[in-house]
Amino acid sequence: AAGVIQSPRHLIKEKRETATLKCYPIPRHDTVYWYQQGPGQDPQFLISFYEKMQSDKGSIPDRFSAQQFSDYHSELNMSSLELGDSALYFCASSRDRGSSPLHFGNGTRLTVT
Amino acid sequence: GESVGLHLPTLSVQEGDNSIINCAYSNSASDYFIWYKQESGKGPQFIIDIRSNMDKRQGQRVTVLLNKTVKHLSLQIAATQPGDSAVYFCAENRHGGDYKLSFGAGTTVTVRA
Repeated sequence: AAGVIQSPRHLIKEKRETATLKCYPIPRHDTVYWYQQGPGQDPQFLISFYEKMQSDKGSIPDRFSAQQFSDYHSELNMSSLELGDSALYFCASSRDRGSSPLHFGNGTRLTVT
Repeated sequence: GESVGLHLPTLSVQEGDNSIINCAYSNSASDYFIWYKQESGKGPQFIIDIRSNMDKRQGQRVTVLLNKTVKHLSLQIAATQPGDSAVYFCAENRHGGDYKLSFGAGTTVTVRA
């Protein structure tokens, strides 16, 4: 079965640079979510989209933005990167506006040096 | 092995024994709960879910119990195997409302051979 695809798997950036993370949800899933997971931490919700419209916002810094495109893939754009942005970034998708299980990709590991 | 009552961050269990992982959720309006398993370097993997109109649900080797009175959730794993070693998270959501899933603190389960 198709899963959530994220790219790249690993990304190394320097402070103050920008990064773009991509997510391809499971076909026919209507909701996409982004989570950030620091070392030893639980995943923290950043932002979600339902049918290409932003639907909820969590602890996402103003330096980050995201969008969902007409083909339902989503991108998380991160600017003015800081050392503290180093983390695993997960994308997830679900059907039925989140009242079905979220299915997660294997994440992008971002390292800011 | 059991993380009794309040959440404990680690649980060590002998192979073949049953495991019980506990979780307290925070939002009394939450009506959908999911257990996820996360292995190192991977995204959270769906294990089992339960809605608030149920107090017990069984899957293959796993059972989830929900006590809405005290806002408590537990995951029971029967005949724990080495492949069950991972971090386990409970997550809560609210149907028809927020488009996000909130994770509780994880429990690291280590299976002893």
